[in-house]
Amino acid sequence: KNEVEQSPQNLTAQEGEFITINCSYSVGISALHWLQQHPGGGIVSLFMLSSGKKKHGRLIATINIQEKHSSLHITASHPRDSAVYICAVVGNYGGSQGNLIFGKGTKLSVKP
Amino acid sequence: ETGVTQSPTHLIKTRGQQVTLRCSSQSGHNTVSWYQQALGQGPQFIFQYYREEENGRGNFPPRFSGLQFPNYSSELNVNALELDDSALYLCASSLDQNYNSPLHFGNGTRLTVT
Repeated sequence: KNEVEQSPQNLTAQEGEFITINCSYSVGISALHWLQQHPGGGIVSLFMLSSGKKKHGRLIATINIQEKHSSLHITASHPRDSAVYICAVVGNYGGSQGNLIFGKGTKLSVKP
Repeated sequence: ETGVTQSPTHLIKTRGQQVTLRCSSQSGHNTVSWYQQALGQGPQFIFQYYREEENGRGNFPPRFSGLQFPNYSSELNVNALELDDSALYLCASSLDQNYNSPLHFGNGTRLTVT
């Protein structure tokens, strides 16, 4: 079982829809990153959070440390949001300490 | 403020050869980490360099090695290339060796081993 699991793996939405991408992890962490990867391969950092909630424009990220779960929400989705969204956690003990562990990503396609 | 740049963007090598990939970090960032991303998978951590010293390593064999220079730019070297080394190689720089600050990624080098 992977230490970081994302769901869904693939998501197709219509423009304007509200989107939720989930990330669950099984290790203790000190921080969690949400990243966006476009088809060319470049990765953009969206959020870094260790508790609570952060908002940037139409994007909202939440984390529940007790439940080991984070969500990324996109409001009023747009075709330009189409990308792969990756969750990565920073392990804080044992073999994962100090390591950045990535999920496999959620491929989002927003149709006009 | 310059971003993270990687070179080359694409590379084709033959099995058994050696390759060097380069990464220029974001201005002021003293930490660089390298990742391997196979097609359809999430990135896998290779190693991190902090102030010119290796500061953590993932589950990669010793033929994957690196360097960080005084200006914090970095190289990833892979010896005795294998077909499974074909992947996108990403570097990321940050202000913080513990990843408690935003990461800045380059666009990657796509390596094909034939």
